[in-house]
Amino acid sequence: ETGVTQSPTHLIKTRGQQVTLRCSSQSGHNTVSWYQQALGQGPQFIFQYYREEENGRGNFPPRFSGLQFPNYSSELNVNALELDDSALYLCASSPRSGVGFNSPLHFGNGTRLTVT
Amino acid sequence: DAKTTQPNSMESNEEEPVHLPCNHSTISGTDYIHWYRQLPSQGPEYVIHGLTSNVNNRMASLAIAEDRKSSTLILHRATLRDAAVYYCILRPGNQFYFGTGTSLTVIP
Repeated sequence: ETGVTQSPTHLIKTRGQQVTLRCSSQSGHNTVSWYQQALGQGPQFIFQYYREEENGRGNFPPRFSGLQFPNYSSELNVNALELDDSALYLCASSPRSGVGFNSPLHFGNGTRLTVT
Repeated sequence: DAKTTQPNSMESNEEEPVHLPCNHSTISGTDYIHWYRQLPSQGPEYVIHGLTSNVNNRMASLAIAEDRKSSTLILHRATLRDAAVYYCILRPGNQFYFGTGTSLTVIP
């Protein structure tokens, strides 16, 4: 079984630019969520997608947007990059099933974004 | 945000049990308690989760207080591979709220 894969692994962008990060979910998983992890901090929830629709969002501005595709892979787009956007961006997938949806998350190893 | 409080760091000797505490005094009745760990340069890895009853799996045990305002992750015999940052997380609905976690050092 293939796990969660993210690309690219590292990326350097300039302030004001736009970036797209990609995630392939684990086989059989139809829910994808994205997290931002600043250095020395825990991951912060950005948003979640289920069947191609956003169904949960954390405290992030609209310049953070996403997509989920019919094969359940996903993209995270960030517009007008700021220096504080420098972080590790993590993607996680899970099978959504049952009342309460408490299936464990399966994380990729992330994309390290540096904004200069 | 659903908040949890954990010690910043803990140490354990190899092959001894480790008890990692977590306080979540604002937990609601439907919040599950999840634990994940993160090794350097990797994404978080699921460890265990529970609602009210104590839980055991091949990796660890989770002891949940009767009032659910605290929980303890128990690693029965720490190994060097268990050195990681451990996150105690509440899950209300579709969201996971991570704190800053406990950095566990295992001493050979």
